[in-house]
Amino acid sequence: AQKITQTQPGMFVQEKEAVTLDCTYDTSDPSYGLFWYKQPSSGEMIFLIYQGSYDQQNATEGRYSLNFQKARKSANLVISASQLGDSAMYFCAMREGPWSAFGNEKLTFGTGTRLTIIP
Amino acid sequence: NAGVTQTPKFQVLKTGQSMTLQCAQDMNHEYMSWYRQDPGMGLRLIHYSVGAGITDQGEVPNGYNVSRSTTEDFPLRLLSAAPSQTSVYFCASSSLGLAGESSYEQYFGPGTRLTVT
Repeated sequence: AQKITQTQPGMFVQEKEAVTLDCTYDTSDPSYGLFWYKQPSSGEMIFLIYQGSYDQQNATEGRYSLNFQKARKSANLVISASQLGDSAMYFCAMREGPWSAFGNEKLTFGTGTRLTIIP
Repeated sequence: NAGVTQTPKFQVLKTGQSMTLQCAQDMNHEYMSWYRQDPGMGLRLIHYSVGAGITDQGEVPNGYNVSRSTTEDFPLRLLSAAPSQTSVYFCASSSLGLAGESSYEQYFGPGTRLTVT
């Protein structure tokens, strides 16, 4: 089974609208972390936001928020007031196991969603 | 700080040739890793290291070797390149987390685009 599933290969959104990028995950470990990365056409990987499995509140970073629904094993990224510069590939990733254990910094990535913002 | 640097940016190899992709970081991070990115498949972990002298395999290690003699450097060696190794390679680094939850993001290098003909 896929550990990280991103079901939207591509999305088109009007500028200034909010957008939700879906991510579901599969793990039996009670301790894990979920990340979102942005990859613009230039190719670099840019960290956006992190959610720990024990975090009580949804993570937020500026226009980015993570809609964490633990029981449903989903960690959707919400971008408010989208901008043309948000056009990029977006990857959801997961780390399993508690921090400080050997190798638990490994990330498993989804296949990504290509977001295109329309002016 | 330069962050994570990778050289070269682009490389073309013939089948059977060997080469080393270089990765360096100046953030004193214990953890370093190599991923490959193929179209439609996201990033997949090749090898990783939690400190000098300590390395282990990731999801797709075949055809690649690594070593870690210093904290700063983590080179990836292709011993006999194959067309299936055509990909974009990313090096990443992060601090090792303390016990408990932390948001230790991984910092990625700019990538090396490798083509094997």
